[in-house]
Formats: sequence, C-alpha cells, structure tokens
Amino acid sequence: DAGVIQSPRHEVTEMGQEVTLRCKPISGHDYLFWYRQTMMRGLELLIYFNNNVPIDDSGMPEDRFSAKMPNASFSTLKIQPSEPRDSAVYFCASSFTRDRVYEQYFGPGTRLTVT
Amino acid sequence: AQSVTQPDIHITVSEGASLELRCNYSYGATPYLFWYVQSPGQGLQLLLKYFSGDTLVQGIKGFEAEFKRSQSSFNLRKPSVHWSDAAEYFCAVGAIGDDKIIFGKGTRLHILP
Repeated sequence: DAGVIQSPRHEVTEMGQEVTLRCKPISGHDYLFWYRQTMMRGLELLIYFNNNVPIDDSGMPEDRFSAKMPNASFSTLKIQPSEPRDSAVYFCASSFTRDRVYEQYFGPGTRLTVT
Repeated sequence: AQSVTQPDIHITVSEGASLELRCNYSYGATPYLFWYVQSPGQGLQLLLKYFSGDTLVQGIKGFEAEFKRSQSSFNLRKPSVHWSDAAEYFCAVGAIGDDKIIFGKGTRLHILP
C-alpha cells in the first residue's frame, strides 16, 4: 500500500489567495483526520470524518477553513482567504474501524507558507 | 479535562547512551496510550501502543514503554540510542468509545556523536 498520500508537499501563496490541500487515505480506512502543526501550538486536530461524514469540526479555526470528503478515497481542506498565520504543516491521517481508530497512519504533510 | 503532558521540550543524549522520555496523562476513562515518532520532514509513525495486559510494551526500532497507572505515566525508553533516533516524539492518549486521540506537544531528541 502506498500509505496516506498528500498533495502538494509544499505550497507557497500570497495572503488572500485560496489554498486547497488534498489527501488520499489508505484504501479501506474509514476514518480520516486533518491536523495542523506549528511550533507554537503543536499538533492540533482540525476535523475528522467517519465514512465520509464530518464528525467533529470543533478544531477548525474559523469560517475561512472548510473540509470535504466526497468519497472514501479523497478529502480536501480549503482555506479561503489565506492569511500569514495559517502558515503551518498540515497532516492528513487515516484509520480503520472504530475499535482500532487510535492507530492513525499519517501522510507526509503539506507545508503551507502564506506570505 | 483530558490532557497529555510531555515535560521535556528538548532532550540531548550521546549516541550509545540510554534514553527515557517522559509522558503523563490525565484521562477519565481507562486510557489507551501511544508513542509516535516524527523524523524531520516526515509524518508521524506509530512506535508502540498500550491497550491492556502487560504494562511493559515493546515497539519498533528497539523502543519500549511502561504504563504506570499509579503515576499516570507512560514513559518511553531505549537502552542505547543511535544517531538515526534523532526526531520528535509524541505521546498520545485515547480510550475505547472515543474516535480521536489527544497528542502531547512533543519532545525533540538530539543525539551527540
């Protein structure tokens, strides 16, 4: 298996632009998590899905952030408009079944820089 | 409130020396505990996990961790570190019935040659 795939690996954009991050979970996994990592705040859970349905989005910082999972093999995290404080590494992780949800498999991350 | 504390932000050890990284948790239910490692520029990888049973668990790369309920701790150990162990280590806690796990802020391990 190729593992969790994220694209792009690096993104540099100007303030005010729309940014879309993409994630392909491991085939067969039914949970998908989006995290943000910064030096100041560490690893933060933004939102997670179960069977393509958003379960908890309480970690999404504000309305500029949105996430979708149109099918079991694809999810997006969108920031519109982007701001410099959104600069961070964004991770996607996936897991299989409720009882083993703790074993999360992480993608390599997308490093976002907003200038 | 549920929380995970890793009291050491940075740890520096010499290659070949032993290592212990500390983790304390606060959780209402019986916890499930994990250690993840993040190498530079990489995502997090599961090192080991504790669900139940033997409180000393073995993981990959020669790591082990011991669950001590009385101390609410789950410290990570390795008898002899290698330069390739330089990375950031995250302790995490969850419980059956919870869909998500809570991560600590991480401990960055530096290895001296």
